[in-house]
Amino acid sequence: SQQGEEDPQALSIQEGENATMNCSYKTSINNLQWYRQNSGRGLVHLILIRSNEREKHSGRLRVTLDTSKKSSSLLITASRAADTASYFCATPDTGGFKTIFGAGTRLFVKA
Amino acid sequence: EAEVAQSPRYKITEKSQAVAFWCDPISGHATLYWYRQILGQGPELLVQFQDESVVDDSQLPKDRFSAERLKGVDSTLKIQPAELGDSAMYLCASTRDRQASGNTIYFGEGSWLTVV
Repeated sequence: SQQGEEDPQALSIQEGENATMNCSYKTSINNLQWYRQNSGRGLVHLILIRSNEREKHSGRLRVTLDTSKKSSSLLITASRAADTASYFCATPDTGGFKTIFGAGTRLFVKA
Repeated sequence: EAEVAQSPRYKITEKSQAVAFWCDPISGHATLYWYRQILGQGPELLVQFQDESVVDDSQLPKDRFSAERLKGVDSTLKIQPAELGDSAMYLCASTRDRQASGNTIYFGEGSWLTVV
């Protein structure tokens, strides 16, 4: 099966700074998604990027995908205390019918 | 806004007892998932339904776990007997289409299980 690995495992920054999280995966994919999870809650979809896209924006979020390096990054600009959460990348498994989640990056934004 | 409903939100049970979780996906969503998430880890898929049929239960510990979605709408996940290692959050999710890849997965708020 396919699984993305997020890096770093944990990240602590000051409010107003940018936060960058990375995801690496092993085999070719046709899309990659990022999800957010507040402590003790369910996951919420943030953004999907397809293999023919290199960059995508949504508000303060910027996602890049480098298929040659098999990696993706999620950038949160001008972070806020409310951005404190865990962020997961999700990729299709080799069969394409399941979505597999990584272990996540825990982001803590200090006010 | 439509949501995936789950209950109970929290459950404490003694080991060897039975426990059940219920999920009502977003109306019209064909695919329903049960994930298990251990603290500090990502969600792990236990079972995936398309309508009322199981399409993947390769990670479901079938000696103690069972899941059903009888009318292709709501679903129940059962554990019997519960073991200490089952303590985790059980997340239900759904997607509109019948193929997971590339579709937004909508999650419920989860059911926290503590086995003592």
